[in-house]
Amino acid sequence: DIQMTQSPSSLSASVGDRVTITCRASQSISSSLNWYQQRPGKAPKLLIYGTSSLQGGVPSRFSGSGSGTDFTLTISSLQPEDFATYYCQQSYIPSPFSFGPGTKVDVK
Amino acid sequence: EVHLVESGGGLVQPGGSLRLSCAASGFTFSSYWMHWVAQAPGKGLVWVSRISTDGRTTTYADSVKGRFTISRDNAKNTLLLQMNSLRAEDTAVYYCARDFDSPPAPGDAFDIWGQGTVVTVSS
Repeated sequence: DIQMTQSPSSLSASVGDRVTITCRASQSISSSLNWYQQRPGKAPKLLIYGTSSLQGGVPSRFSGSGSGTDFTLTISSLQPEDFATYYCQQSYIPSPFSFGPGTKVDVK
Repeated sequence: EVHLVESGGGLVQPGGSLRLSCAASGFTFSSYWMHWVAQAPGKGLVWVSRISTDGRTTTYADSVKGRFTISRDNAKNTLLLQMNSLRAEDTAVYYCARDFDSPPAPGDAFDIWGQGTVVTVSS
């Protein structure tokens, strides 16, 4: 199975900050990396698929990059609604579609 | 509007059974592979199972293999998860989710999620 790790596990930031979250796969997953946002008590929401493709309706302040084993989610200017937990997921080898452990972004 | 609505969660004793349902609307349900994803209290997301459009192909996480069965009724636009031999560690919110590509391929993602249904396994 492919193992996913994320760093940091949590971070504190202010509105307007640039935020970067890293995700690493235990083996190469090409560009098959997705990012989800989950607000407290809500279902996950797809933000980015295929490493860098923005899901419809997602603000352009979100961007993704990387390939192989190392990936990054960047929020260019943090907004109040962006305080949430972010998960990466590999979809290169299904079963299991492993998720990272999550990165919680909270208010500084 | 596209919607997934889960139901069937509840409190069950260890060793018991539960059947979860996920009602789909706003899209052609029979054209999409579907998934179940679990989230234990305060923990991260764990993929549980997926099913093909015609229901003939199913895959499971090792932790539920032999105990859970995924199925679907395309005539009723409903996804199901039969959960048997439940354990305390199965306690979680269970989400159904749509695979945004059909047939699925590397790079797929889960683009539509339900609101989740809570399963608690406790004596």
